[in-house]
Amino acid sequence: DAGITQSPRYKITETGRQVTLMCHQTWSHSYMFWYRQDLGHGLRLIYYSAAADITDKGEVPDGYVVSRSKTENFPLTLESATRSQTSVYFCASSENREPYEQYFGPGTRLTVT
Amino acid sequence: GENVEQHPSTLSVQEGDSAVIKCTYSDSASNYFPWYKQELGKGPQLIIDIRSNVGEKKDQRIAVTLNKTAKHFSLHITETQPEDSAVYFCAASIPGGYQKVTFGTGTKLQVIP
Repeated sequence: DAGITQSPRYKITETGRQVTLMCHQTWSHSYMFWYRQDLGHGLRLIYYSAAADITDKGEVPDGYVVSRSKTENFPLTLESATRSQTSVYFCASSENREPYEQYFGPGTRLTVT
Repeated sequence: GENVEQHPSTLSVQEGDSAVIKCTYSDSASNYFPWYKQELGKGPQLIIDIRSNVGEKKDQRIAVTLNKTAKHFSLHITETQPEDSAVYFCAASIPGGYQKVTFGTGTKLQVIP
């Protein structure tokens, strides 16, 4: 399917477990992003990537790890999940030229028990 | 870093009335201001954006205004319809950081038929 997809859409895990959220885009956009959405906080940037093998921290990176070996994939890993990481996670991508619009995936709702 | 404040957090209007959402930003170097609409269960989608060399931009029933001196910008929706019900996010970005936008906390708009 064309566009940007995320998997899984819903995930329940236990505290201390490792969880990986997947993101895949078919546009060959150079930039990709991970956000978390929490009530009262809006969208907060976790990590972003300007190209394959280039990643950088956003506003709230602690407890998360990313990698980008291929342009189209940008997985987000919670190495040891905590309850505070219960959230809705959105992946997004954009081209490196105007209008710099970010295209968001449908989100992954993660619950850490 | 940039800080974006958004008000109100919730807004209810009667169908056909206008809705206004206001945002302020902290970094005077910011010069790109997109607005995203998030429908229930979906990722945010860009609906309009404005750059600092423009004071106002319109697209059918939606318009954005920008006051650089006061560092605030607003979204105006006229003749609201039930399908306008959603969460709206404002955002700001500085030059060279076009790929990293800072989002406001969101406004949940309810249009009452």
